[in-house]
Amino acid sequence: GEDVEQSLFLSVREGDSSVINCTYTDSSSTYLYWYKQEPGAGLQLLTYIFSNMDMKQDQRLTVLLNKKDKHLSLRIADTQTGDSAIYFCAVPLSSASKIIFGSGTRLSIRP
Amino acid sequence: GAVVSQHPSWVICKSGTSVKIECRSLDFQATTMFWYRQFPKQSLMLMATSNEGSKATYEQGVEKDKFLINHASLTLSTLTVTSAHPEDSSFYICSASVASGRMGPYNEQFFGPGTRLTVL
Repeated sequence: GEDVEQSLFLSVREGDSSVINCTYTDSSSTYLYWYKQEPGAGLQLLTYIFSNMDMKQDQRLTVLLNKKDKHLSLRIADTQTGDSAIYFCAVPLSSASKIIFGSGTRLSIRP
Repeated sequence: GAVVSQHPSWVICKSGTSVKIECRSLDFQATTMFWYRQFPKQSLMLMATSNEGSKATYEQGVEKDKFLINHASLTLSTLTVTSAHPEDSSFYICSASVASGRMGPYNEQFFGPGTRLTVL
């Protein structure tokens, strides 16, 4: 079945860039998601990228997609304390309406 | 738009009792709702997919008789944890999707805020 993997933790200094990486196995997904979960809350869609794109930029967020390596990354520029959260990479299954989530990366910001 | 609510936001119950969690799409009709369980180490596990008016599809390893799912209307799905035990303590999150089976951003899942269940 589909497997989505992420590292569990990332710590960055305030003002630096954060890069969260994700690898997946289902290459037929037409798009891929990044979700953000703040403490004690549900998930919010942060951004998504179509599989025919290599890059998508939205203000401080940059998503890079390497389809050959099945690698997705999320870069947050000028990381702020409000960016502290768990970030989930998510891949819809092409065969169903389900979304498969990675384990989530907990981003912590240090002063 | 696209707001999903859950009730209650947290619940504490005694072992052996049943607990019902509601998931509502407030401003749209959800043809499909999903129930997830989030473990303390962050991972989100899909428990079941439910379509309005039909039986839920459970993921492998999820007990149908323990986790009863009802999707009686296009705006409401319920998850009932029957005969709850301490190991059922977890964060339960629902999501709702407008279109089932379509690929594209239009079948995006909108998530509820989650329900923290603690079984004593």
